[in-house]
Amino acid sequence: GAGVSQSPSNKVTEKGKDVELRCDPISGHTALYWYRQSLGQGLEFLIYFQGNSAPDKSGLPSDRFSAERTGGSVSTLTIQRTQQEDSAVYLCASSPSGGTPGELFFGEGSRLTVL
Amino acid sequence: EDQVTQSPEALRLQEGESSSLNCSYTVSGLRGLFWYRQDPGKGPEFLFTLYSAGEEKEKERLKATLTKKESFLHITAPKPEDSATYLCAPKGQFYFGTGTSLTVIP
Repeated sequence: GAGVSQSPSNKVTEKGKDVELRCDPISGHTALYWYRQSLGQGLEFLIYFQGNSAPDKSGLPSDRFSAERTGGSVSTLTIQRTQQEDSAVYLCASSPSGGTPGELFFGEGSRLTVL
Repeated sequence: EDQVTQSPEALRLQEGESSSLNCSYTVSGLRGLFWYRQDPGKGPEFLFTLYSAGEEKEKERLKATLTKKESFLHITAPKPEDSATYLCAPKGQFYFGTGTSLTVIP
């Protein structure tokens, strides 16, 4: 498959548990983004990786959220001590262009439900 | 403050009834604008990039135009499969508009 791959597609967890969401971007894309979309809401920017540069974490809502990108490819978004308000679809996107955000190619998302 | 506003929030059309969606922005130094389509349960899909005022792009029944302050997505003779949420986003920024939910009724 040539698209952005995300896993798991669905995750149900209990309040207080940690979760990890994975994103495998399109091969060769240097930029990677995480967004969150709550039910019926717009896209909320979380974090941006560009090559080997320090990530732009300006959208992370709290210190319970973190993300890493290994080897300039796969990224993992970690949410610690999940809360019910964390329930949302987490979308990953990659882009072939560096610098400022260009055209984004999104995955199908990981739907997180916190009980 | 830079922002993007999309209108209407929701639009219902009969099949074949043409209309336009609006994306207005107050972004200093705008370097272009993207349009995306999002189907329920899926990630947004890139449609168009517009770089400068006066530019137009077309794809099937969709035509996107750009002025200095807004962009329009014109839908000509829509079909039910055009039903989706349409999002705009300024190039070089991380945020998106809140979208227009389009429903085309057979």
